[in-house]
Amino acid sequence: GIQVEQSPPDLILQEGANSTLRCNFSDSVNNLQWFHQNPWGQLINLFYIPSGTKQNGRLSATTVATERYSLLYISSSQTTDSGVYFCAVGRVYNQGEKLIFGQGTELSVKP
Amino acid sequence: NAGVTQTPKFRILKIGQSMTLQCTQDMNHNYMYWYRQDPGMGLKLIYYSVGAGITDKGEVPNGYNVSRSTTEDFPLRLELAAPSQTSVYFCASSSTSGSSYEQYFGPGTRLTVT
Repeated sequence: GIQVEQSPPDLILQEGANSTLRCNFSDSVNNLQWFHQNPWGQLINLFYIPSGTKQNGRLSATTVATERYSLLYISSSQTTDSGVYFCAVGRVYNQGEKLIFGQGTELSVKP
Repeated sequence: NAGVTQTPKFRILKIGQSMTLQCTQDMNHNYMYWYRQDPGMGLKLIYYSVGAGITDKGEVPNGYNVSRSTTEDFPLRLELAAPSQTSVYFCASSSTSGSSYEQYFGPGTRLTVT
């Protein structure tokens, strides 16, 4: 099956710093999503980005499908950005589509 | 739209007990999914459904059953609960209209089996 690797596994930032999170995957995909899991466990959709670049406020993401990686950029980080960031990829089969999750990057933003 | 809702939020079960985790979506999505998340890990797919009356196993189906009698509801049944089923359970849904396969997740159910 598809393998998903995220790096780094942990990241500590000072408030206001920028960061880049990486997601590598082992095969072609139809779906790539980035999620933020907040300290209360809620999964928040950040981007649906199987290819190309998107931006939403201080966050942006780029997926280079041909090279099988995606990057999540966080600029001017805030303490509310703390939590775990997951990359998940999927392929559409005959029935349904299954997301494969990476292990996550745990981000801690210090005031 | 409420999106994807799950009940209960928390539950403690004794070994051998059974329970049903409820999931409802109001987005008229045809695809629905159940995932579990163990501590410090990503999510793993338990079961999924492509429409009413159609379900299939995911990566970790043992110990669980599902049914899909309506588009909106996708309950997950645990029979004979075991400590290994202690986890956080997430339900998700997606639509295949257009070209987007984006999945939307519920708030989760935290289950402890003791």
